[in-house]
Amino acid sequence: AQSVAQPEDQVNVAEGNPLTVKCTYSVSGNPYLFWYVQYPNRGLQFLLKYITGDNLVKGSYGFEAEFNKSQTSFHLKKPSALVSDSALYFCAVSGYTGGGNKLTFGTGTQLKVEL
Amino acid sequence: DTGVSQNPRHKITKRGQNVTFRCDPISEHNRLYWYRQTLGQGPEFLTYFQNEAQLEKSRLLSDRFSAERPKGSFSTLEIQRTEQGDSAMYLCASSRSGGSFYNEQFFGPGTRLTVL
Repeated sequence: AQSVAQPEDQVNVAEGNPLTVKCTYSVSGNPYLFWYVQYPNRGLQFLLKYITGDNLVKGSYGFEAEFNKSQTSFHLKKPSALVSDSALYFCAVSGYTGGGNKLTFGTGTQLKVEL
Repeated sequence: DTGVSQNPRHKITKRGQNVTFRCDPISEHNRLYWYRQTLGQGPEFLTYFQNEAQLEKSRLLSDRFSAERPKGSFSTLEIQRTEQGDSAMYLCASSRSGGSFYNEQFFGPGTRLTVL
């Protein structure tokens, strides 16, 4: 069975400071990892994914994530946080499902960026 | 707006009633997924369609739940004899099957179900 863990329920950071939202995964086989963001009353929005290749993945809105196979981690990062980045962030791992790729999500991390 | 749409956005029903939700995926996407999200949790996979074929169902999907995707376009999720435990946000997502096998999924805004 595949799973992801997001050890922090909430992360607080000051605007302009770097941010990190942590994610660790457990899969048998190759990991296919995703980050999504959820704003209030809006659907999940795709940020970035790691399938293969470079361990540093760049995504939308200035976010990036670092894949670390030895630590089974896929932490989300941004060099300089904005107040508008405040939202709920989900890490997910993909598993084969008869031709598709169902996602298994973590419990989410609430990011709060303060002035 | 050419994103995934879901209707209704909110549904309040009494226990024991049947409800049906609709999802319209992005037009060129032939993969469609349903997830359920409860407060404080991440979305949980319910079922998956490739075109009109339902290829996988989660054990979370009891016999009271049924999903269809006629003609491989929109999809409906029906819950019969609703229970209070069915109260959740029901999310629909779609993705294309070309290119990378692990294409990202695009989510709709969800249907929030409240069972009284």
